Amino acid sequence: DAGITQSPRHKVTETGTPVTLRCHQTENHRYMYWYRQDPGHGLRLIHYSYGVKDTDKGEVSDGYSVSRSKTEDFLLTLESATSSQTSVYFCAISEGLGEAFFGQGTRLTVV
Amino acid sequence: AQSVAQPEDQVNVAEGNPLTVKCTYSVSGNPYLFWYVQYPNRGLQFLLKYITGDNLVKGSYGFEAEFNKSQTSFHLKKPSALVSDSALYFCAVRDGGATNKLIFGTGTLLAVQP
Repeated sequence: DAGITQSPRHKVTETGTPVTLRCHQTENHRYMYWYRQDPGHGLRLIHYSYGVKDTDKGEVSDGYSVSRSKTEDFLLTLESATSSQTSVYFCAISEGLGEAFFGQGTRLTVV
Repeated sequence: AQSVAQPEDQVNVAEGNPLTVKCTYSVSGNPYLFWYVQYPNRGLQFLLKYITGDNLVKGSYGFEAEFNKSQTSFHLKKPSALVSDSALYFCAVRDGGATNKLIFGTGTLLAVQP
């Protein structure tokens, strides 16, 4: 399996609090992605990175920010969590035009 | 803007019968196409990809996919379905540009009946 770790794996948080999810890779891949998975919507791209400090918005970026200060770490922050952000979050990494490798996911519940 | 469509939410097939899971795409440049599978409470596993070359691509677990440029399709196929193939299948497309954005479809649930 590709060396990609998401933390935490599960989190329950209260509405209005900030939350940061971490994606850590040991593969030195250039590209990193954050997705959310919801029933009926499949995987939707939140933000992605094409290099250190190079990031861009995906399909559903409102309410989320990201940072990538070094190759191995890509952080996703929910600035003020809402119930609509209850979801399963997946990080993925890739190099070049090849396939992406996925982490095991983070299940986030906002109450 | 690039996009992927999986027109069927669910596909039902009897064990031993051939299966097809449909995918169509839209991308401005050359398409780089992928299929993934997700089993319950698991992450996504890569099945196969089309980057260039032969239009028929073979992948893991006996799956294959046919790239059709004129129809902008990349349908997933298997000659003989197994009950263990029951899972959620995702098609994805990469735009191949500088940012290498990767977009997924909404997924198709494959149910194989014994």
